[in-house]
Amino acid sequence: DTGVSQDPRHKITKRGQNVTFRCDPISEHNRLYWYRQTLGQGPEFLTYFQNEAQLEKSRLLSDRFSAERPKGSFSTLEIQRTEQGDSAMYLCASSPAPQGTDTQYFGPGTRLTVL
Amino acid sequence: AQRVTQPEKLLSVFKGAPVELKCNYSYSGSPELFWYVQYSRQRLQLLLRHISRESIKGFTADLNKGETSFHLKKPFAQEEDSAMYYCALFPAMNYGGSQGNLIFGKGTKLSVKP
Repeated sequence: DTGVSQDPRHKITKRGQNVTFRCDPISEHNRLYWYRQTLGQGPEFLTYFQNEAQLEKSRLLSDRFSAERPKGSFSTLEIQRTEQGDSAMYLCASSPAPQGTDTQYFGPGTRLTVL
Repeated sequence: AQRVTQPEKLLSVFKGAPVELKCNYSYSGSPELFWYVQYSRQRLQLLLRHISRESIKGFTADLNKGETSFHLKKPFAQEEDSAMYYCALFPAMNYGGSQGNLIFGKGTKLSVKP
C-alpha cells in the first residue's frame, strides 16, 4: 500500500503523559498536514509542512503540541502533558505539489484516548 | 470568518431516489470547494472538486457564488453511496504560497435504504 500511513492506529494514555504519533506521507509529496477530528465534527486543521518547513500553525495547536518533519519525509506530532480534551482522531494528509489546492490524501488516523 | 456549513447531520433516502447534500460556505474571496467522502472503516478520500467540473460515481456539485453554496447531487442513490460526506473549502488567496489548510464542515451522514 503506497498511501499515507500513520502509527499507531490507537493510543490510550493517562492524563499528564506525553504521546507521539508518526505519519509517513506518500513518497515525494511535498506537503504534509495534520488535522484533528472530534466526535460529530469535521477535521480541523492543526499545522502543515512544505518539505521540512512548518509553514502554518492553527491556534488549536497549543504550546503542548509540537510537530516536526526533520528531513521532509515523515512527520511526528507530539502532545505533552495530555489532557482529556485531547482525546480525538488525529489525521495526517499529504499532497504532491506546492500549490495547496492539490488533492490531499488522508491517512487512516490515530485515535487518541486520554483517561 | 471562513466557514463551511452542512445543515443536515443525517440524510436518509431509499435506493433509486435523488439525493442532495447541502453545503453553504462563508468566504469573501474566490474559494476552492471540495467534497470528501468516508465510507465505513475507510479513510477520508476526495470525491470531487468544483474546479474539475467532473462527475464522480454519478455525483455532481455546482458552485453557486450568489447563494454561496456547493450542494452535492445524485439523481439515483445506490446503497453503496451510504457514507459520511464532508464539504471543504480551501481559501485560495493566491497560488504557490497560499495557506495550506482545508476548512471542513461537520459532515452529513448519508444512509441509502434498500
